[in-house]
Amino acid sequence: AQSVTQLDSQVPVFEEAPVELRCNYSSSVSVYLFWYVQYPNQGLQLLLKYLSGSTLVESINGFEAEFNKSQTSFHLRKPSVHISDTAEYFCAVSDVEAGGTSYGKLTFGQGTILTVHP
Amino acid sequence: DSGVTQTPKHLITATGQRVTLRCSPRSGDLSVYWYQQSLDQGLQFLIQYYNGEERAKGNILERFSAQQFPDLHSELNLSSLELGDSALYFCASSSWASHTDTQYFGPGTRLTVL
Repeated sequence: AQSVTQLDSQVPVFEEAPVELRCNYSSSVSVYLFWYVQYPNQGLQLLLKYLSGSTLVESINGFEAEFNKSQTSFHLRKPSVHISDTAEYFCAVSDVEAGGTSYGKLTFGQGTILTVHP
Repeated sequence: DSGVTQTPKHLITATGQRVTLRCSPRSGDLSVYWYQQSLDQGLQFLIQYYNGEERAKGNILERFSAQQFPDLHSELNLSSLELGDSALYFCASSSWASHTDTQYFGPGTRLTVL
């Protein structure tokens, strides 16, 4: 079974500072990884995803994540955060069965609350 | 706005009761997923429907059931409710049922069982 571990439950940081949210996964088959963001009182929104190809993926609002197969990690980074980045961030893996059958259901980590202080 | 709608937004009920949560997927999406978000369990996958048929099942209790109708909207039925069922229930939709699809989440239904 696949699982996701987010190593930090809360990350406080000052505005314009860099941030890294850590995510490790375990999977016995092909890996497809996602980061979702949840703003207060809202649903989840996709931030970025890794399916194949370049191990570095970027979002439109300055976040990036790097797939590292040897370390089974998919850490999320941003070089300079804004107050508006305050939210909860979820790392997730998509299930693919041993025979390659995919259903698309996601297994989520426990979430990391990013709080950006002025 | 993701294009996925969920009703009601809030639901308060008593133990032992039954409730129905409704989800309308984005226009054109064939797949609907249900997730439960609680403080102790986090975000957990419950069940998936694709074009009217059950496709995958997760940690869904026997007291819970779901269906997807011909117009592709979906309902999650929760019965014999317990205090521990209090949670935020999300519906998500995607075009197909593949690991490459982006899932678009609704705003959720907050269920409180008293």
